[in-house]
Amino acid sequence: DTVLTQSPALAVSPGERVSISCRASEGVNVYMHWYQQKPGQQPKFLIYKASNLASGVPARFSGSGSGTDFTLTIDPVEADDTAIYFCQQNWNDPRTFGGGTKLELK
Amino acid sequence: EVQLVESGGGLVQPGRSLKLSCAASGFTFSDYYMAWVRQAPTKGLEWVASIPHIGGSTYYRDSVKGRFTISRDDAKSTLYLQMDSLRSEDTATYYCTRDDYGYYFDYWGQGVMVTVSS
Repeated sequence: DTVLTQSPALAVSPGERVSISCRASEGVNVYMHWYQQKPGQQPKFLIYKASNLASGVPARFSGSGSGTDFTLTIDPVEADDTAIYFCQQNWNDPRTFGGGTKLELK
Repeated sequence: EVQLVESGGGLVQPGRSLKLSCAASGFTFSDYYMAWVRQAPTKGLEWVASIPHIGGSTYYRDSVKGRFTISRDDAKSTLYLQMDSLRSEDTATYYCTRDDYGYYFDYWGQGVMVTVSS
């Protein structure tokens, strides 16, 4: 299976820019997608195919990358962005998710 | 507004069965793939099974093949997951998701907890 590796946690101050990384154990082309999960809630779809914003997602969120290295950027970060962010690939079977990056605000 | 509402979770002994349901609304259910994704307590997300909108194919992760069965009733806009021979490692919150043609999961239900324990 394709392993997606994410940093466990990040802490930033409101108004700053944050980049959350996701590294794949093998190439996934641009077929990387991102989700946000707030405490006690279901995941919410954010970005598809590396860089495309899902409907209704604020333009503060953006994505980039291809192959094995991908980044989710939030600029500027707001207090409401406290959550765990997961990446997910569908280029290789089975579809897999990263372990998640917990974003905390200082 | 897309809504996915799961039901049927609970506490079950190892080796027993449980059937989850997911009532969908707010979109044309028969036009979409659907899937189940699970999340063990304090763990990450794991795709479990998917079913296309047409045809008889279904897809499963290896650890549930032969034990779980995904199905759908388009007339009732309902997705199901029949779980047999349950194991402790199946303990998780199970999310019903709309599956965008096998690419990503664009809508999620609130989740239903399944606990497998004696």
